[in-house]
Amino acid sequence: GAVVSQHPSRVICKSGTSVKIECRSLDFQATTMFWYRQFPKQSLMLMATSNEGSKATYEQGVEKDKFLINHASLTLSTLTVTSAHPEDSSFYICSATIEHRVVTEAFFGQGTRLTVV
Amino acid sequence: SQQGEEDPQALSIQEGENATMNCSYKTSINNLQWYRQNSGRGLVHLILIRSNEREKHSGRLRVTLDTSKKSSSLLITASRAADTASYFCATDGNTDKLIFGTGTRLQVFP
Repeated sequence: GAVVSQHPSRVICKSGTSVKIECRSLDFQATTMFWYRQFPKQSLMLMATSNEGSKATYEQGVEKDKFLINHASLTLSTLTVTSAHPEDSSFYICSATIEHRVVTEAFFGQGTRLTVV
Repeated sequence: SQQGEEDPQALSIQEGENATMNCSYKTSINNLQWYRQNSGRGLVHLILIRSNEREKHSGRLRVTLDTSKKSSSLLITASRAADTASYFCATDGNTDKLIFGTGTRLQVFP
């Protein structure tokens, strides 16, 4: 099946610094990628839809200046958590989709655990 | 919020028993999918059921869908300790986005 690679898997950063998370589709082109956030023992919450060559679409309540998304190519989307604070500590997961005729199939990265100290 | 709900939130069973998880959603859908997530890891796709299907099987997994009640169930038969994980349903809500349910944490004791 299709593979989505997310890097890094874990990152610890100091408050006030920025962290970049990469999401790559390894064997297919993804015009659309999605970024999710997951708090411990909770479900995934969609943060934003990343569109290749255009601005990301953010879900309500997600600060676009805080979570910068860049989808510069058909195989790479990045999420940058700017001026990170401890409350940004979370598990971030990206996904990329392949659209078949009648169904869209989603493939997920391995996730990035961000800890802000 | 469009997020679906799953119950139970947590389920503990012995190996060999069956595990049933339920998912309710709010919008109309094209399909509903079930995912598994091991602790701290990414999601793994288990099974997809289309809105015009009522039941689907894959190995020890059985999924049902009732669009009139906007609900789905996932049954894992003859559970194993390796089935311990969180399970999420996800719907597309007639869009290209996936909206996840709240998840069920399954623990299978040897």
